[in-house]
Amino acid sequence: DADVTQTPRNRITKTGKRIMLECSQTKGHDRMYWYRQDPGLGLRLIYYSFDVKDINKGEISDGYSVSRQAQAKFSLSLESAIPNQTALYFCATSDPPGLAEYEQYFGPGTRLTVT
Amino acid sequence: KQEVTQIPAALSVPEGENLVLNCSFTDSAIYNLQWFRQDPGKGLTSLLLIQSSQREQTSGRLNASLDKSSGRSTLYIAASQPGDSATYLCAVRPMNTGNQFYFGTGTSLTVIP
Repeated sequence: DADVTQTPRNRITKTGKRIMLECSQTKGHDRMYWYRQDPGLGLRLIYYSFDVKDINKGEISDGYSVSRQAQAKFSLSLESAIPNQTALYFCATSDPPGLAEYEQYFGPGTRLTVT
Repeated sequence: KQEVTQIPAALSVPEGENLVLNCSFTDSAIYNLQWFRQDPGKGLTSLLLIQSSQREQTSGRLNASLDKSSGRSTLYIAASQPGDSATYLCAVRPMNTGNQFYFGTGTSLTVIP
């Protein structure tokens, strides 16, 4: 089984709808991240969390919210989806600093289309 | 803000050729740099992680180098194979925003049999 899983893998929704993307991990990592990927723009960080009580905004957090339900689960919500939120969304995890490597591990992605 | 650039955006080579992918970044104060591979419809797979104190890392046919002073990293792929066809991304973790990675837009590699 994959270490980082995302559901759903694909979603088409309409403008104004509320959408939740879910991420689960079995790596035992404390740190989790949400990114979006757009053609020509690379990956950009939306939110990140160091533990259940520590959530931080990334580069492009407007229009998004997150919930860290447990160490293994990190959800991304779009309260009122708009077309320019159409993108590929990735969840990632990492070890905390101080260990030998600070490496990120990615889920398979969720392709979201807002019409 | 850290800017990460990857050139070329796309590359096509015949099977068996050695090749180099380039990654440049604007702020040399980084903790580390990571190279990823992305296949269509799939997530990112980590290839190599270079800490700021290291000059290079090797894994199989892959070798990544880091020159912080010039803000550059290269990923060398030896004896390319069709299975190497994918998009290759680099990401840096700056010291001034140590909790975030900044990604390049990637190089799309096609290895022709």
